[in-house]
Amino acid sequence: ETGVTQSPTHLIKTRGQQVTLRCSSQSGHNTVSWYQQALGQGPQFIFQYYREEENGRGNFPPRFSGLQFPNYSSELNVNALELDDSALYLCASSGYSAQDYGYTFGSGTRLTVV
Amino acid sequence: RKEVEQDPGPFNVPEGATVAFNCTYSNSASQSFFWYRQDCRKEPKLLMSVYSSGNEDGRFTAQLNRASQYISLLIRDSKLSDSATYLCVVNMIDKAAGNKLTFGGGTRVLVKP
Repeated sequence: ETGVTQSPTHLIKTRGQQVTLRCSSQSGHNTVSWYQQALGQGPQFIFQYYREEENGRGNFPPRFSGLQFPNYSSELNVNALELDDSALYLCASSGYSAQDYGYTFGSGTRLTVV
Repeated sequence: RKEVEQDPGPFNVPEGATVAFNCTYSNSASQSFFWYRQDCRKEPKLLMSVYSSGNEDGRFTAQLNRASQYISLLIRDSKLSDSATYLCVVNMIDKAAGNKLTFGGGTRVLVKP
């Protein structure tokens, strides 16, 4: 059973650029959630995808968008990057037992905006 | 008010001692509860689910008090390897956000020799 994998692991972008982060969900999991974790804070919910559709969204502006593919993998896109977007971006996958067993997280993509 | 609140610590704990800390949540409709552990610059990993009846996993004991809307974690016989940030996590269904995990800011625990 493969876990959640994210790519790239680290990324440096310039303010105003666009970035795409990728996530492969754990085998058997059909739901993918994305979180942003700033230094010293807990992860903040960005959005969740289920069956290729957005299934809930946190308090993030529209320049944060995403996709889910038929194989349940997912992308997070951020346009017009701002310095405050610098953070660890975590992808988590879950299945039908999420209520009992929570989510499985990938190791994250550390984004630095300069 | 934050949806999930934790004392950020750090809790400085002598090796072998017991440490306990709480987390409060604001949404009474919250459905399930977890403690995650996060090591420095790593992803969160599930430590344990928290059940209404309370549950224990080795040296770790979790309690849920729905009436007062708090969750607790107790670590007995602390090991140096227990040093980490402990994240309180609540699963709730939100009108805007759907079914989501909401994280507290984390409680940092430092176990010292």
